[in-house]
Amino acid sequence: GAVVSQHPSWVICKSGTSVKIECRSLDFQATTMFWYRQFPKQSLMLMATSNEGSKATYEQGVEKDKFLINHASLTLSTLTVTSAHPEDSSFYICSAVDGEGGSEQYFGPGTRLTVT
Amino acid sequence: EDQVTQSPEALRLQEGESSSLNCSYTVSGLRGLFWYRQDPGKGPEFLFTLYSAGEEKEKERLKATLTKKESFLHITAPKPEDSATYLCAVYSGSARQLTFGSGTQLTVLP
Repeated sequence: GAVVSQHPSWVICKSGTSVKIECRSLDFQATTMFWYRQFPKQSLMLMATSNEGSKATYEQGVEKDKFLINHASLTLSTLTVTSAHPEDSSFYICSAVDGEGGSEQYFGPGTRLTVT
Repeated sequence: EDQVTQSPEALRLQEGESSSLNCSYTVSGLRGLFWYRQDPGKGPEFLFTLYSAGEEKEKERLKATLTKKESFLHITAPKPEDSATYLCAVYSGSARQLTFGSGTQLTVLP
């Protein structure tokens, strides 16, 4: 149980284009999902907290207009990187919390974004 | 502000050579300490949750322990397939989010 999927697993795009990454909880409902970014050999940095039915909460320094988050249902959250630049190239990982008030996060397999 | 420090940054062991990884933390109102395993190019895989000092949990060759200031991940007789980065994270009532340490990259040589 507690499986989280991400799609795509990797994507290459050109500068200036937008890329959408999906995060799905497959066997549970997630009222809260998190989006992280991870650079090579570094730990996970929280970008934003996504709550179903409400606006996402962004961490300090994360541009909300550049990283659009939509938590459309209890099993799906999307991250759209708008007008991507090479410095946006990174490993993006989502996680989901099983149920209300839970603290255990289950992570997706990650999406490798390369902007050329 | 919650802080998590992991040591060592990297650890190389011979197969069968037991050791421990350390996770020191400073939080306001600990609600849980988590250990994850992360393989290259993959998302973290959940290992353990510890909630209170004195708690211990085991899974195969891994054993996690918790005190009021730190947690240890003990690896007994490791195998090459245990090679990965081990991440520690804390969840506090004040932050309401996971705060991760920088991880320990473990390499087990055959």
